[in-house]
Amino acid sequence: EAGVAQSPRYKIIEKRQSVAFWCNPISGHATLYWYQQILGQGPKLLIQFQNNGVVDDSQLPKDRFSAERLKGVDSTLKIQPAKLEDSAVYLCASSLGVTQYFGPGTRLTVL
Amino acid sequence: TQLLEQSPQFLSIQEGENLTVYCNSSSVFSSLQWYRQEPGEGPVLLVTVVTGGEVKKLKRLTFQFGDARKDSSLHITAAQPGDTGLYLCAGAGLGTSYDKVIFGPGTSLSVIP
Repeated sequence: EAGVAQSPRYKIIEKRQSVAFWCNPISGHATLYWYQQILGQGPKLLIQFQNNGVVDDSQLPKDRFSAERLKGVDSTLKIQPAKLEDSAVYLCASSLGVTQYFGPGTRLTVL
Repeated sequence: TQLLEQSPQFLSIQEGENLTVYCNSSSVFSSLQWYRQEPGEGPVLLVTVVTGGEVKKLKRLTFQFGDARKDSSLHITAAQPGDTGLYLCAGAGLGTSYDKVIFGPGTSLSVIP
């Protein structure tokens, strides 16, 4: 069974630029999560989708971050414009129940 | 605010030593999970505990869920360099209409050969 796929694996941008991350969850998993993980810390939930609807985006900085999950499968997370403090690993996970399966993450560096 | 705390934050030990890491909260969880994350990778599930007082063993790792389902511990016997990583606990069952999971900040373990 294929795992959660994410791309790109690494991205370096300058502040005020835009960036987008892509996630392909495990087939059949209804729930999809985007997390931000700063070095040495635990993942912080940004947004949780159930199929293509948002169930939790309380910690998403909506002035600059947006996410969508078209057709309840793939998802994209966008940052526009990026700030220095957005430098982190962005993890995507999917699940059927409470067990989450994570992708390898995208490491974003904002200069 | 629902929080999970983990201790210690960092742990560096010699190969062969034993260690215990802790996960605590003031919230009651329906289940609690432990994940291990290696550098450059996403977290990988180690175990899920569901019943208060439950003990699960995975080779040299022993996981316990507190009787009140608010805390958990992970004990590693005879640690190996391959155990090095970030150990994360995650509590579930806080949402009323969806599966809400929160992660602790993690314990970074380094096992020195």
